[in-house]
Amino acid sequence: GDSVTQMEGPVTLSEEAFLTINCTYTATGYPSLFWYVQYPGEGLQLLLKATKADDKGSNKGFEATYRKETTSFHLEKGSVQVSDSAVYFCARRAGANNLFFGTGTRLTVIP
Amino acid sequence: DGGITQSPKYLFRKEGQNVTLSCEQNLNHDAMYWYRQDPGQGLRLIYYSQIVNDFQKGDIAEGYSVSREKKESFPLTVTSAQKNPTAFYLCASSIGYRSDSPLHFGNGTRLTVT
Repeated sequence: GDSVTQMEGPVTLSEEAFLTINCTYTATGYPSLFWYVQYPGEGLQLLLKATKADDKGSNKGFEATYRKETTSFHLEKGSVQVSDSAVYFCARRAGANNLFFGTGTRLTVIP
Repeated sequence: DGGITQSPKYLFRKEGQNVTLSCEQNLNHDAMYWYRQDPGQGLRLIYYSQIVNDFQKGDIAEGYSVSREKKESFPLTVTSAQKNPTAFYLCASSIGYRSDSPLHFGNGTRLTVT
């Protein structure tokens, strides 16, 4: 069935470290792929998206590339800041209700 | 500023009582959604609505009910039939229901039932 699998957390990094959060999806149809971020006590905010193979989404220094051959959409950032501490969700969408979220990866960045 | 407003932020109820969570959007979005979030789990879809006066069950609709009488509003009622109602509830909307339409989320309502 349709699903999204993302890296188990929690992830703890020092400020300015390189971040990778892995995400893979099942390939039914041609989904769009998203990364959302959730800060404590808040709802989810769209971080970036990619709608077709080889697209790269980017925002606030974060990047993710839609890799059809490996069915992946890994989130990366070259230098994390304390303010990046949050929970990150990978999601795929292929229609009205065909939207699946991963279980979330908690990132903590320490000064 | 346009956005989605969920109220209240925290809600406490006794077991056996129905409770209604409010969700209002001024984004002029057609589609609206309700999700439930539990610790360590992803989001699970309760109900969604693509248009006024129409809504569909999601993956975990049992014990919940919704209405969509206005485009801007999509209230969720947690009934006494819901066995584990304590959770964080998120309302969302999207312009349409195409694959490339991202969801916009409210800040959630944390419901505690004792």
